[in-house]
Amino acid sequence: EAGVAQSPRYKIIEKRQSVAFWCNPISGHATLYWYQQILGQGPKLLIQFQNNGVVDDSQLPKDRFSAERLKGVDSTLKIQPAKLEDSAVYLCASSLYTGGPYEQYFGPGTRLTVT
Amino acid sequence: AQSVAQPEDQVNVAEGNPLTVKCTYSVSGNPYLFWYVQYPNRGLQFLLKYITGDNLVKGSYGFEAEFNKSQTSFHLKKPSALVSDSALYFCAVRSPISGSARQLTFGSGTQLTVLP
Repeated sequence: EAGVAQSPRYKIIEKRQSVAFWCNPISGHATLYWYQQILGQGPKLLIQFQNNGVVDDSQLPKDRFSAERLKGVDSTLKIQPAKLEDSAVYLCASSLYTGGPYEQYFGPGTRLTVT
Repeated sequence: AQSVAQPEDQVNVAEGNPLTVKCTYSVSGNPYLFWYVQYPNRGLQFLLKYITGDNLVKGSYGFEAEFNKSQTSFHLKKPSALVSDSALYFCAVRSPISGSARQLTFGSGTQLTVLP
């Protein structure tokens, strides 16, 4: 079974530039998550999709971050404009169902450096 | 709000010795508890979870975890550590209550180093 795919793996941009990350979840997984992991911290949920609908985006900085999952499969997370504090690893995860005892499966992440 | 505490940033143990990585939690209702492991430049890998029932949960790679409701703890254990177990370990909690509490909340992680 193929895992969660993410690209690019690394990205370096200057502040105020824009950047986009792509994620393809495990086939058949209805729920997709984007997390931000700052160095030395645990992952923090940014947004959660159930199929192509948003379940939870309460911690997404909506003035600069946006995400979509138009066909209920792959997803894109965008930052525009980027700030220095956005430097982090962005992790995508998927699970069969939303909530409950279901474990999440994580991709390798995209390491973003904002200079 | 739910939270997870991993009181040790770093745990060192000799190969062959037992290891324990500590985790305590705060959540409304009966929790779902998870342990994940992260190797360098890789995403998190699921190790084990507690849903209900037996307080001792067995998972991947010989790891197990003990749920203690009175102490609100879910410590990760392994009887005999391997050098290859060296990695960053995260404890996570989710409440069965609906709403944003259904988010998976992670601790800050514990770096485990197994010394040969």
